Amino acid sequence: NAGVTQTPKFQVLKTGQSMTLQCAQDMNHEYMSWYRQDPGMGLRLIHYSVGAGITDQGEVPNGYNVSRSTTEDFPLRLLSAAPSQTSVYFCASSPTGRYGYTFGSGTRLTVV
Amino acid sequence: KNEVEQSPQNLTAQEGEFITINCSYSVGISALHWLQQHPGGGIVSLFMLSSGKKKHGRLIATINIQEKHSSLHITASHPRDSAVYICAVWPNTGNQFYFGTGTSLTVIP
Repeated sequence: NAGVTQTPKFQVLKTGQSMTLQCAQDMNHEYMSWYRQDPGMGLRLIHYSVGAGITDQGEVPNGYNVSRSTTEDFPLRLLSAAPSQTSVYFCASSPTGRYGYTFGSGTRLTVV
Repeated sequence: KNEVEQSPQNLTAQEGEFITINCSYSVGISALHWLQQHPGGGIVSLFMLSSGKKKHGRLIATINIQEKHSSLHITASHPRDSAVYICAVWPNTGNQFYFGTGTSLTVIP
């Protein structure tokens, strides 16, 4: 089925570990983005990309890296996990950014 | 400073009631989205508005650009409508959404 696929769905990390959250879409969307969702704070943008090879920081980029080598994939890397990164992470894609959003099912990350 | 404010934060309704969720924003926008998130679930886009009104089944979304305000209405509410409803705006300048913190709706049978 067409859409945005996020893996893994759940992850527990120890402080200091690194990991990559995967995001892939098969709709040929140019715009992809990563959000974190924390209770009472709503969705906050971590990083986004307007096309292959182009990425930019969002509101809360510290501690995260991204790359966009292909249109389909937009992985999010946690360099050295911290308890403050415990959150639910959503990847989303859109043809242009302004409309037509499709969200992934989310990754629930716990850092202990 | 929060560019998008939603009210109420929490809402409990009896099945069959008419429900209204409000969204006010402070910036000029080119689009406003209403999103739905069921407990433990993913996020689904319900509507995108740039003017006027849209209807899908029992859901109606309106926007008043001059007043910088949008409402999401649910007619004949049902327990399956229980979810968090999120308002998101795309500003005229910039390339990212501003999100509200969401309205948590519980519909009791």
